[in-house]
Amino acid sequence: KNQVEQSPQSLIILEGKNCTLQCNYTVSPFSNLRWYKQDTGRGPVSLTIMTFSENTKSNGRYTATLDADTKQSSLHITASQLSDSASYICVVSFNDYKLSFGAGTTVTVRA
Amino acid sequence: DTEVTQTPKHLVMGMTNKKSLKCEQHMGHRAMYWYKQKAKKPPELMFVYSYEKLSINESVPSRFSPECPNSSLLNLHLHALQPEDSALYLCASSQDTTDTQYFGPGTRLTVL
Repeated sequence: KNQVEQSPQSLIILEGKNCTLQCNYTVSPFSNLRWYKQDTGRGPVSLTIMTFSENTKSNGRYTATLDADTKQSSLHITASQLSDSASYICVVSFNDYKLSFGAGTTVTVRA
Repeated sequence: DTEVTQTPKHLVMGMTNKKSLKCEQHMGHRAMYWYKQKAKKPPELMFVYSYEKLSINESVPSRFSPECPNSSLLNLHLHALQPEDSALYLCASSQDTTDTQYFGPGTRLTVL
């Protein structure tokens, strides 16, 4: 069964601090892995996309890593801002258009 | 233009009403999608259009009827919905079905 598991389910951090979100997957065959940011009641916004051969990808203060051997990915947020408060979703692509979504990690940044 | 737009933002309808959701993109993408998302759950794929033709219907009830009038537009026609159909409906598009999907802001649908 194709699964994507994220941890933690939620976390609270102080503004300016860093945090790391985890994603483990059992999706096969693997095509690519994407991290999306979704604000409440809004559509997901793509942050990064990585293929099998890529180990790390950055987008501003967001850095994603991928270990295709262990089927693990992480998203690191540096110097968090209040606007980073959102749900972060790990999405693994397999078999053309099919996406397997994680349940997301809800991040709350407090001043 | 690098965004997917959806209208309306919010929609409230009765179970006997007929309404439509609209989605538009001007990125030249040839694949477009409809997803349904319940609160605190990941999006669930409903339909996939590729080159203006319906390629995937994920066993969606016939009270949801998609339409792709041209390569930039995607509609979702709603008729005789149930209260459990209340959700956030997301449209997405991609260059083709293997590329990154760009999501619209969604339409929040409430069925009374």
